[in-house]
Amino acid sequence: SQQGEEDPQALSIQEGENATMNCSYKTSINNLQWYRQNSGRGLVHLILIRSNEREKHSGRLRVTLDTSKKSSSLLITASRAADTASYFCATDARTQAGTALIFGKGTTLSVSS
Amino acid sequence: GAGVSQSPRYKVTKRGQDVTLRCDPISSHATLYWYQQALGQGPEFLTYFNYEAQPDKSGLPSDRFSAERPEGSISTLTIQRTEQRDSAMYRCASSLRTDTEAFFGQGTRLTVV
Repeated sequence: SQQGEEDPQALSIQEGENATMNCSYKTSINNLQWYRQNSGRGLVHLILIRSNEREKHSGRLRVTLDTSKKSSSLLITASRAADTASYFCATDARTQAGTALIFGKGTTLSVSS
Repeated sequence: GAGVSQSPRYKVTKRGQDVTLRCDPISSHATLYWYQQALGQGPEFLTYFNYEAQPDKSGLPSDRFSAERPEGSISTLTIQRTEQRDSAMYRCASSLRTDTEAFFGQGTRLTVV
């Protein structure tokens, strides 16, 4: 099962530009997380935002959460070639029998120098 | 341990054989997840554990798939009578609780020939 859906599916930008990715989800959540995955390697946690928070910052990352619209956005400022990766949102969504961390399909970001 | 460890890293098996994948989570983590990830896709939820309890196995594709975590630490994912469509990356992650960040292992690449 997949709860979140990222938009766009793919994004290509130049170094120094900002990258914005969006995530929409279906059910109510306690928190929403963003993860990065470099070229088929392991997933790395970036940031977690709780349902009672609207915005959170971590370095060059800014995450917003709008629970009324069931959506979140991830902004990467002043992008670098090293930011090239796939980005996934994940929510602690209710499944058939519990609450589990469910991922979206991801946005593939390509940053060229 | 220091991080989440999965073994083997690569497994090639013949169709019809059984395989068992292992995950060694971070020692203090109560929650352990299993995901299946196809190339270019997000991690697809399979099942999760809170210590030894398995609240949700709704993501397991068929009854050929089963998972255990008998002592609340190491977990195994077993696929019986493997089929070619089972070929994928299998990822394990652990977290303190279901509402905290998850730490991923490097995954096991399963190829069924």
